Amino acid sequence: NAGVTQTPKFQVLKTGQSMTLQCAQDMNHNSMYWYRQDPGMGLRLIYYSASEGTTDKGEVPNGYNVSRLNKREFSLRLESAAPSQTSVYFCASSEATYQGSNYGYTFGSGTRLTVV
Amino acid sequence: DAKTTQPNSMESNEEEPVHLPCNHSTISGTDYIHWYRQLPSQGPEYVIHGLTSNVNNRMASLAIAEDRKSSTLILHRATLRDAAVYYCIPTLGEDSNYQLIWGAGTKLIIKP
Repeated sequence: NAGVTQTPKFQVLKTGQSMTLQCAQDMNHNSMYWYRQDPGMGLRLIYYSASEGTTDKGEVPNGYNVSRLNKREFSLRLESAAPSQTSVYFCASSEATYQGSNYGYTFGSGTRLTVV
Repeated sequence: DAKTTQPNSMESNEEEPVHLPCNHSTISGTDYIHWYRQLPSQGPEYVIHGLTSNVNNRMASLAIAEDRKSSTLILHRATLRDAAVYYCIPTLGEDSNYQLIWGAGTKLIIKP
């Protein structure tokens, strides 16, 4: 039972380079999320996908794009990396519902990205 | 949006109970209270959540004040493996797909 798998675990980019962070979950969850975490801070939501085929901006979407490829996979793309995007990126999934019940999130182990 | 206030850090002795407080005085009636923890160099891990009643699971207990303006996460017998940053998080309601709003959390230090 893998849960949420993120690749790569580490990456160093030069300013202006592009890359895609991959995320896959095997729990049949409807909702998926991308967060970033800067040192000593809590997580900030970049984008989320409430269900397959939908994506929405979170708190800090500038400089990023996402694709919900299918129910399992949700990728995050940096088109032109900047040093300000140096951070740890976490993908998460949840079985969110709209009937008043509520579920926990499952997180991946993170991608540590450095932009030089 | 509901905001939370947590101590920056707390210390506890191994094998003793730990009570981690959280103030969320602006929480709305439909916001659940989630607790997560993050061990060093790992992703956050779900601990427990609740709405109005006290909740128990194998990891911890959650005591929610009657007015819902505060809650306390209780680790009944802390071990060194419980050293982590603990986040108290109200969820936004169903209109926002139950998004979590993260603060800086409480760093729990366990002394052997």
